[in-house]
Amino acid sequence: EAGVAQSPRYKIIEKRQSVAFWCNPISGHATLYWYQQILGQGPKLLIQFQNNGVVDDSQLPKDRFSAERLKGVDSTLKIQPAKLEDSAVYLCASSVEGAGEGTDTQYFGPGTRLTVL
Amino acid sequence: LAKTTQPISMDSYEGQEVNITCSHNNIATNDYITWYQQFPSQGPRFIIQGYKTKVTNEVASLFIPADRKSSTLSLPRVSLSDTAVYYCLVGDSGGGADGLTFGKGTHLIIQP
Repeated sequence: EAGVAQSPRYKIIEKRQSVAFWCNPISGHATLYWYQQILGQGPKLLIQFQNNGVVDDSQLPKDRFSAERLKGVDSTLKIQPAKLEDSAVYLCASSVEGAGEGTDTQYFGPGTRLTVL
Repeated sequence: LAKTTQPISMDSYEGQEVNITCSHNNIATNDYITWYQQFPSQGPRFIIQGYKTKVTNEVASLFIPADRKSSTLSLPRVSLSDTAVYYCLVGDSGGGADGLTFGKGTHLIIQP
């Protein structure tokens, strides 16, 4: 079974530029998550989709970050304009909804490492 | 919002059993406890999940006392490859930011 795919793996941009990340979840996984992981910290949830609807985007800085999941499969996360403090690894994860009791197991992609200069 | 507290770091030796404890004093009735492992330059990977008492799988055991205010991840006979960051999460099936807070995790270092 193919895992969660993300691209690009690395990106270097200058502040005030725009950048977009792409995620392809595991086939059949209805729920998709985007996390930001700053060096030395745990992942922070930015947005959670269920199919193509937003479940939670309370921690997404909406003045500069946007995300969409058209057709309930692939997703893109965009930053416009980028700031120095956006330098981080952006992780995408997916899960099967209601696969069992408790919280759904998340399967993470390798992440995109963003450096903002 | 259930929060968790874990030791920042731990170290041990190959072949030993390692126990990492997580405190979650404000755990809610519907909350489950989940542990993830993360290696450098990789995304986290699910280890184990439980609600009460003891859960065991091929990788680890999870011990949860009756009051559920803490939990202990037990890794039997660790090897060098178990060096990683371990995160404890507490949340219900609804997901969302409340239940998907990773915290800073525990940096486990295994020495030969």
